[in-house]
Amino acid sequence: ETGVTQTPRHLVMGMTNKKSLKCEQHLGHNAMYWYKQSAKKPLELMFVYSLEERVENNSVPSRFSPECPNSSHLFLHLHTLQPEDSALYLCASSQVAGTSGANVLTFGAGSRLTVL
Amino acid sequence: SQQGEEDPQALSIQEGENATMNCSYKTSINNLQWYRQNSGRGLVHLILIRSNEREKHSGRLRVTLDTSKKSSSLLITASRAADTASYFCATDEDTGRRARTFGSGTRLQVQP
Repeated sequence: ETGVTQTPRHLVMGMTNKKSLKCEQHLGHNAMYWYKQSAKKPLELMFVYSLEERVENNSVPSRFSPECPNSSHLFLHLHTLQPEDSALYLCASSQVAGTSGANVLTFGAGSRLTVL
Repeated sequence: SQQGEEDPQALSIQEGENATMNCSYKTSINNLQWYRQNSGRGLVHLILIRSNEREKHSGRLRVTLDTSKKSSSLLITASRAADTASYFCATDEDTGRRARTFGSGTRLQVQP
C-alpha cells in the first residue's frame, strides 16, 4: 500500500450513467491530482488541488468534474462519458513546499474505467 | 512534443545486462524525477535529480542530467526479471505550477 487508496479499482459504465471515482490519502499531503492514462499515450494531467488552489487542464471535457472536500479526499464525478474515456485513472498526492520543492508524487493503484 | 519524452519506447534485454533509458524535455526545470509502473498499477517514485546536479545513484540506479541538452538518462545495472516495467521521467514546469508532466514511458522487458 502506498498510502493513496483509490476506489473502485474497476468500473464499467454505460454512456448515460453517473458514477464517481474516489481517492483518499493518508500521508498528510497538501496536494492531490487526477491523471488519465490511455494506452500508448503520455499521462494526462486532468486536475490539481494544491494549497486550496484548483488547477485544471483546459482540454478536459466538462463531463469530468472534480471535487476536493478536504486535503485527504478527492473525487472525480463522471457523467455521460464516451467510449474514448475508457482508461486508467490515477490519483496522486504530494507535499508541496514552494515552487522549487521536490514535489514527489505518491500514486494510488488506479481505477480502470470501461465505458460501453 | 510532450515535455518529458522518453526514448526508446520499448527495450528488451537479458537478465544481467544493463538498461539505459533517455528522457528529453523542453523548458527549464527545477528537478527531474523517474518513476516506475508495473502493468496496470500506479507509478512509484524511483529517484530525483535537481537541476544543479549532474549524476545521482541509488542502488542499481544511476541517473544523469544534462541541462544544456535538456536531457536525462536512467541506467539500471545488472537487470533482473523483476525490473520489467514501464519507466517514466517527470518534470516540473518552471512556471510556478506544482504539477508533474510525464512522457509516454519506456517499456522495459527483462528476459530471464
